[in-house]
Amino acid sequence: DTGVSQDPRHKITKRGQNVTFRCDPISEHNRLYWYRQTLGQGPEFLTYFQNEAQLEKSRLLSDRFSAERPKGSFSTLEIQRTEQGDSAMYLCASSPSLDEKLFFGSGTQLSVL
Amino acid sequence: QKEVEQNSGPLSVPEGAIASLNCTYSDRGSQSFFWYRQYSGKSPELIMSIYSNGDKEDGRFTAQLNKASQYVSLLIRDSQPSDSATYLCAVENAGGTSYGKLTFGQGTILTVHP
Repeated sequence: DTGVSQDPRHKITKRGQNVTFRCDPISEHNRLYWYRQTLGQGPEFLTYFQNEAQLEKSRLLSDRFSAERPKGSFSTLEIQRTEQGDSAMYLCASSPSLDEKLFFGSGTQLSVL
Repeated sequence: QKEVEQNSGPLSVPEGAIASLNCTYSDRGSQSFFWYRQYSGKSPELIMSIYSNGDKEDGRFTAQLNKASQYVSLLIRDSQPSDSATYLCAVENAGGTSYGKLTFGQGTILTVHP
């Protein structure tokens, strides 16, 4: 069990550019979640997958955001046409099926200049 | 009104004292409640979960839940400087397909001074 792995740890981009983040969950964990956290706030739910199916997506997630989990293993989160308001820590978490306990990765810190 | 509210602090307690962290939530249908600890620059780490009214103890930590008052608390006994962190209260609203969809409070910053 190597934990939830996220890549990259840090990403600096210019406004208008596209960025993609990767998350590798704990093996055997069927559920995978993306959260976003800004300074001084708790994490905010974005979306989650059970295996390869995206079962829920926050209404706060604009159409510039897309997430995939091909083959039910790793997941990617893409942000198109980044805006300064997208600057945040993007956290990935996984959990075993039917267990609500989430295990978080170290996150990807995005800075949009 | 925020769905999950916490006093952002900072809460400062001396080493060895009891730290008391509080959280209120708005959705009466909430079923599962969690406390996460987050060190600066790190990701949240689950320290306690509680699902029914009353107290749940785990080592120096005690979680308390009162669904009638929509109130969750975390007590840390014999506080240590290593307990200094942000404590996040999280609430899960319903079972089924919303498993793992947590709503977090803004967190309470705890500082334990020697």
